[in-house]
Amino acid sequence: GAVVSQHPSRVICKSGTSVKIECRSLDFQATTMFWYRQFPKQSLMLMATSNEGSKATYEQGVEKDKFLINHASLTLSTLTVTSAHPEDSSFYICSAREGRGNTEAFFGQGTRLTVV
Amino acid sequence: DAKTTQPPSMDCAEGRAANLPCNHSTISGNEYVYWYRQIHSQGPQYIIHGLKNNETNEMASLIITEDRKSSTLILPHATLRDTAVYYCIVTPSGSARQLTFGSGTQLTVLP
Repeated sequence: GAVVSQHPSRVICKSGTSVKIECRSLDFQATTMFWYRQFPKQSLMLMATSNEGSKATYEQGVEKDKFLINHASLTLSTLTVTSAHPEDSSFYICSAREGRGNTEAFFGQGTRLTVV
Repeated sequence: DAKTTQPPSMDCAEGRAANLPCNHSTISGNEYVYWYRQIHSQGPQYIIHGLKNNETNEMASLIITEDRKSSTLILPHATLRDTAVYYCIVTPSGSARQLTFGSGTQLTVLP
């Protein structure tokens, strides 16, 4: 299947700093990418939908000024956690679908963010 | 998206078939059934999807009841590496919609 690469896989940062997470579709073009967050022992929760060339759509309760999303090309979306705090520590996962038909979504390997 | 109901956990002996049920009684005509799994600390992995016919691929088989209100994912010969959380997701076709994850079933394959 198609490959979605996420980088970094793990990051530790100090409280108050910003962290950027990259999500790349390696062998297909993804007009839409999705960002999820997963806390321990919980399911994935959608944070935002990233559209190439336009503003991201955020789910209710997700601060768009804190979680900056940029989808500058058909193969790359980035999530920047600004002014990170310990409560932002989580597992962040991106996914992408090829085209607009009923194709399966492919997921990155996830990024474990720890804010100390 | 239609709501799905899955048992929270299941055990299966290594080498035996693992049958994971999913109830989606409110599914509508244009909604597909997708199965993903998540091995600990990894991103979800696509397994299989279907509309109304049974489907089979190299990983698993998907059996959808005639009324489409439930389905079963079958791993024919479970291995220890199949231990994961399995998610059954119902989503409409024809759009690049996000997937909504429920709580899934924790499958533990026992040696």
